Amino acid sequence: TQLLEQSPQFLSIQEGENLTVYCNSSSVFSSLQWYRQEPGEGPVLLVTVVTGGEVKKLKRLTFQFGDARKDSSLHITAAQPGDTGLYLCAGGIRKIIFGSGTRLSIRP
Amino acid sequence: EADIYQTPRYLVIGTGKKITLECSQTMGHDKMYWYQQDPGMELHLIHYSYGVNSTEKGDLSSESTVSRIRTEHFPLTLESARPSHTSQYLCASSESLYLGALNTEAFFGQGTRLTVV
Repeated sequence: TQLLEQSPQFLSIQEGENLTVYCNSSSVFSSLQWYRQEPGEGPVLLVTVVTGGEVKKLKRLTFQFGDARKDSSLHITAAQPGDTGLYLCAGGIRKIIFGSGTRLSIRP
Repeated sequence: EADIYQTPRYLVIGTGKKITLECSQTMGHDKMYWYQQDPGMELHLIHYSYGVNSTEKGDLSSESTVSRIRTEHFPLTLESARPSHTSQYLCASSESLYLGALNTEAFFGQGTRLTVV
């Protein structure tokens, strides 16, 4: 069974600071996705990374896929209160499984 | 904007009652999923389907059952609700490019928050 572990589980930082969230597995994934979920809503896709070593940028968010395609990271530059939410990595071939999640809180 | 709908949004029901959570999508997606999520916690896959008349159990054991008689409809049923079933249930769908392909984006409904008293 493929598993995705995320760290940290919780993160509370001041507005303007930088942060990195990690997603790790012992299995190789053909692609990994990052979702963001706000309270009372379903997760929404942020990005899909496909190639080992790939880096994708989405405004202040930078996503990286590990060379061995077993891990991924999400880096946020100059965090803002609007970045608050639950960040989930996801992957899988026959079914989509989700990581344990990182709950991010940005203090004004 | 995703065209996937779940009803009801909120449900409070007594122990022992039978309930059906509805999920419909208008995108023509073959793959559909049910996840269980406690507030702010990870999503656990409880059921998924590749298409009509195809259903599989997910990684988290669940007493619920599902059916897929039509492509657009994937209801989840609990025959006898218990307080331990209290949770949020999220339905999702994704396009199936071809068997074994990279997963495409999963579109989620807004969820059903179930409370069993």
